[in-house]
Amino acid sequence: SQKIEQNSEALNIQEGKTATLTCNYTNYSPAYLQWYRQDPGRGPVFLLLIRENEKEKRKERLKVTFDTTLKQSLFHITASQPADSATYLCALDMGGNNRLAFGKGNQVVVIP
Amino acid sequence: DTEVTQTPKHLVMGMTNKKSLKCEQHMGHRAMYWYKQKAKKPPELMFVYSYEKLSINESVPSRFSPECPNSSLLNLHLHALQPEDSALYLCASSQVLTGGVGGYTFGSGTRLTVV
Repeated sequence: SQKIEQNSEALNIQEGKTATLTCNYTNYSPAYLQWYRQDPGRGPVFLLLIRENEKEKRKERLKVTFDTTLKQSLFHITASQPADSATYLCALDMGGNNRLAFGKGNQVVVIP
Repeated sequence: DTEVTQTPKHLVMGMTNKKSLKCEQHMGHRAMYWYKQKAKKPPELMFVYSYEKLSINESVPSRFSPECPNSSLLNLHLHALQPEDSALYLCASSQVLTGGVGGYTFGSGTRLTVV
């Protein structure tokens, strides 16, 4: 079955640097992949969606890449700020019918 | 209106109680979802409604009973829950064909404690 893997260790990064997070999946390439931000006690907030035929997507200081050969997506936060501190979740379509599954998430801590 | 509203925000219930969680959206989304999230775990899909019809039940125990009265409302009826069902219950909505246009909009959740 499809597995979604994100690094469980928190990423501590200095303010102003670029944070890079990795999402790997194990089996079939999904039609699309999404990234969400989640703050403690709150619901996830949608950030970006990238389709299988797209290599890169950008939104303000965020950039997502999708490599179906490596079965991997990278999520970048450039010029990071303390307000970017949160958990970032990768989510994949598990074969249609709106069955979206989430990875464990990767906590980012931006140090002033 | 670009929000998903969930009520109540917090709920404490006994194992013999019956309660309901409510979810409302007015974005015209025709797909709605229930997810369950335990501490330090990712959200887990429970149910999917598409055009007000149940399309996915992820083998959820029958003590959880979803209902979609109309295209804006989603309920989750709870009965005879166990302490291990304590979690954050998240409602979400989206356009039915999300691959082309965007992600899910989540509510802030209902923090459920079963005692």
